[in-house]
Amino acid sequence: DARVTQTPRHKVTEMGQEVTMRCQPILGHNTVFWYRQTMMQGLELLAYFRNRAPLDDSGMPKDRFSAEMPDATLATLKIQPSEPRDSAVYFCASGLVIGGRMGETQYFGPGTRLLVL
Amino acid sequence: AQKITQTQPGMFVQEKEAVTLDCTYDTSDPSYGLFWYKQPSSGEMIFLIYQGSYDQQNATEGRYSLNFQKARKSANLVISASQLGDSAMYFCAMREMLSGSARQLTFGSGTQLTVLP
Repeated sequence: DARVTQTPRHKVTEMGQEVTMRCQPILGHNTVFWYRQTMMQGLELLAYFRNRAPLDDSGMPKDRFSAEMPDATLATLKIQPSEPRDSAVYFCASGLVIGGRMGETQYFGPGTRLLVL
Repeated sequence: AQKITQTQPGMFVQEKEAVTLDCTYDTSDPSYGLFWYKQPSSGEMIFLIYQGSYDQQNATEGRYSLNFQKARKSANLVISASQLGDSAMYFCAMREMLSGSARQLTFGSGTQLTVLP
């Protein structure tokens, strides 16, 4: 049963600290998405990768957020320095694009629940 | 303008009864996909059902069916024979295939469904 995995599941940190969240997409998937969910904003797209290349990170605050895919099995989302307003649930999702057309859905990981004090 | 509108913040249904969760969408893109996700209290996002804009028949997946009314731009989720485990937040989402946001899902604000014993 293939699943997207995310670590850590929960993170509590102090303002100013660096936070790194990791995602392992479903094996064989070539697209990775990072979403943030808050009560006020709902689900927002932060970044999107295809074949490890960043295609869209317009939803991400550039001054403190960075997203990378060091290899096909790992995606990272880093916040440095973290702020209380970054407290949210961060979801990673993966999908498969074949011949330029994306498959029907994105499969979500369990999320990382971040609290910045 | 909101691309996805879910007008029911909360719904209650008696166990074993059917329930309809409303979703309307706004797009000028002729090609789009509509999705429903379930988010239980544990927080993960679970894909339920997909409907393509060119699909002639309404999508069905077990107890889930999507009542797709293209002219009205509505994509309501119908859950038949509700179970206690169906209690969760339900999100409607859309992906526009031709516009610049073809890569991402746009989510509604969600409907909290509570199944009563």
